[in-house]
Amino acid sequence: KNEVEQSPQNLTAQEGEFITINCSYSVGISALHWLQQHPGGGIVSLFMLSSGKKKHGRLIATINIQEKHSSLHITASHPRDSAVYICAVGGSQGNLIFGKGTKLSVKP
Amino acid sequence: EAQVTQNPRYLITVTGKKLTVTCSQNMNHEYMSWYRQDPGLGLRQIYYSMNVEVTDKGDVPEGYKVSRKEKRNFPLILESPSPNQTSLYFCASSLIPQPIGNGELFFGEGSRLTVL
Repeated sequence: KNEVEQSPQNLTAQEGEFITINCSYSVGISALHWLQQHPGGGIVSLFMLSSGKKKHGRLIATINIQEKHSSLHITASHPRDSAVYICAVGGSQGNLIFGKGTKLSVKP
Repeated sequence: EAQVTQNPRYLITVTGKKLTVTCSQNMNHEYMSWYRQDPGLGLRQIYYSMNVEVTDKGDVPEGYKVSRKEKRNFPLILESPSPNQTSLYFCASSLIPQPIGNGELFFGEGSRLTVL
């Protein structure tokens, strides 16, 4: 079993839809990252969470430490949101473990 | 402009020919790390460094070496590359060692390496 599980693996949405991507982990962590990778390959950090909730524009990230679960929400989705979204969990020693990513495609 | 710079971006080499992928950041970040990305396996950490002269193994360190002699640079060395090291490599840095504090990760653009 992978230590970091993301769901769904693939997601197709219509423009304007509300999107949720989930991340569950089985190891103890000190922080969780949400990353975005566009088709060109570059990776951008969206959020780093250790508790609660963060919001940036149309993106919202939440984490429940007790349940070892995090969600990334995209409101009013747009085709430019099409990308791979990656969850990564950070241990106390500086190591990072990644989920396999969720490929999102938003159709106009 | 704040950035993480990797070189080369693309490289085709042959088995056994030593190579170095450089990584440099201009943000005075303490934490730097290397990852490889493979289809179906996702991103995996190779090595990381919490500060100058401090390096640690990640999940897949075999066949790689690193050094952190100065804060801005963190080169990845393949002493004797093999075909199973064909991959897309990313370097990243963070102001504060993970996961303490607001350690947003900044990634380089990636280096696509092919070993024949």
